[in-house]
Amino acid sequence: AQKITQTQPGMFVQEKEAVTLDCTYDTSDPSYGLFWYKQPSSGEMIFLIYQGSYDQQNATEGRYSLNFQKARKSANLVISASQLGDSAMYFCAMRPDTGRRALTFGSGTRLQVQP
Amino acid sequence: GAVVSQHPSRVICKSGTSVKIECRSLDFQATTMFWYRQFPKQSLMLMATSNEGSKATYEQGVEKDKFLINHASLTLSTLTVTSAHPEDSSFYICSARLSGRSFSYYGYTFGSGTRLTVV
Repeated sequence: AQKITQTQPGMFVQEKEAVTLDCTYDTSDPSYGLFWYKQPSSGEMIFLIYQGSYDQQNATEGRYSLNFQKARKSANLVISASQLGDSAMYFCAMRPDTGRRALTFGSGTRLQVQP
Repeated sequence: GAVVSQHPSRVICKSGTSVKIECRSLDFQATTMFWYRQFPKQSLMLMATSNEGSKATYEQGVEKDKFLINHASLTLSTLTVTSAHPEDSSFYICSARLSGRSFSYYGYTFGSGTRLTVV
């Protein structure tokens, strides 16, 4: 079974500053994928970034980067140069590379960007 | 590409009635569809996994007679909430698992969700 832990229920950041959203995970699968999604108040799930467990380099997608520390089982999301439109819920999720491959989500972090 | 259209986006129904939620894959074939439920300010919880042409697999604690899932074709999966009660009020969202190099999302695309209110 997989478990995702997000310990920050809410975070505030000033516009144009960087922010790190924490995510730790637990799994017995040797191969897995880690995702971050953004969920605005409309409810849609917006894919941000992906990291495979065997990827040697940390993933980056524009202003998003994933700080992957496999030995510590952490996959923190870093958002650089925060924008007001970044205010939303952020979910970390894991996909095992066996079985049904359903995503397991963390409890989420609500990010509020202040002007 | 890889769009899942989910309808309705919002529905209000009376207690005791049934509600059907549809998820259609518009430009690809969805072999596997996941159904999630999200209560306010909480995470997405997997309810069931459906595969085209076979019975859905339900997560522990999810009543399969109450939440009927049908995945009769590669482009349509439905969730029917039968005899709905106020405690079934929630946000329901479907997700199709993608595969193949042509997809850049490394795995999944989501419907836009259905906000169900049972009165």
